[in-house]
Amino acid sequence: GQQLNQSPQSMFIQEGEDVSMNCTSSSIFNTWLWYKQDPGEGPVLLIALYKAGELTSNGRLTAQFGITRKDSFLNISASIPSDVGIYFCAGYYTGANSKLTFGKGITLSVRP
Amino acid sequence: DAGITQSPRYKITETGRQVTLMCHQTWSHSYMFWYRQDLGHGLRLIYYSAAADITDKGEVPDGYVVSRSKTENFPLTLESATRSQTSVYFCASSDNPPIGYTFGSGTRLTVV
Repeated sequence: GQQLNQSPQSMFIQEGEDVSMNCTSSSIFNTWLWYKQDPGEGPVLLIALYKAGELTSNGRLTAQFGITRKDSFLNISASIPSDVGIYFCAGYYTGANSKLTFGKGITLSVRP
Repeated sequence: DAGITQSPRYKITETGRQVTLMCHQTWSHSYMFWYRQDLGHGLRLIYYSAAADITDKGEVPDGYVVSRSKTENFPLTLESATRSQTSVYFCASSDNPPIGYTFGSGTRLTVV
């Protein structure tokens, strides 16, 4: 089946630093999404990307849909302590019985 | 209140007991999902439903039963709980197409 690869499993950065995460797949997707999970809560949608090459921003977050449709990246600029959490990428390919495929997530820690 | 609600938030049960986790959404979303989250495994899909009275297996369905007699409710039952089912369970819902999932806050289940 389809799989999304996110690595490393954990990242540690200093407050104020920028951080980049990417997500790769051997399959193409029509839609890429990025979710964030705060400790003790369910994942929340951050950004959705619908077209190859699309670049979308949401505050300090910027995400891009790769040209090959097999990857996406998420950038967080000027990190702050509340950026701590697990970041999941997800991909969707239109078709019968389609549903999101999730990566395993990257746990981000921000040192003050 | 509008949203997706999971109950209970925390549950401790004994091996062999039946336990039901509840999920209720107020948007009339057609799709609903159950995931379990374990360290190192990310989010794994247990069951999903495209509409009332339509359910389908996900990646890890063994030991679980679902039903969806009403659009807004999607209970998950562990017929005979095992220690390996100790996990955090998330319910999610989505309109059609199933792209932008909204997750509940989760149920932390411990089987002793």
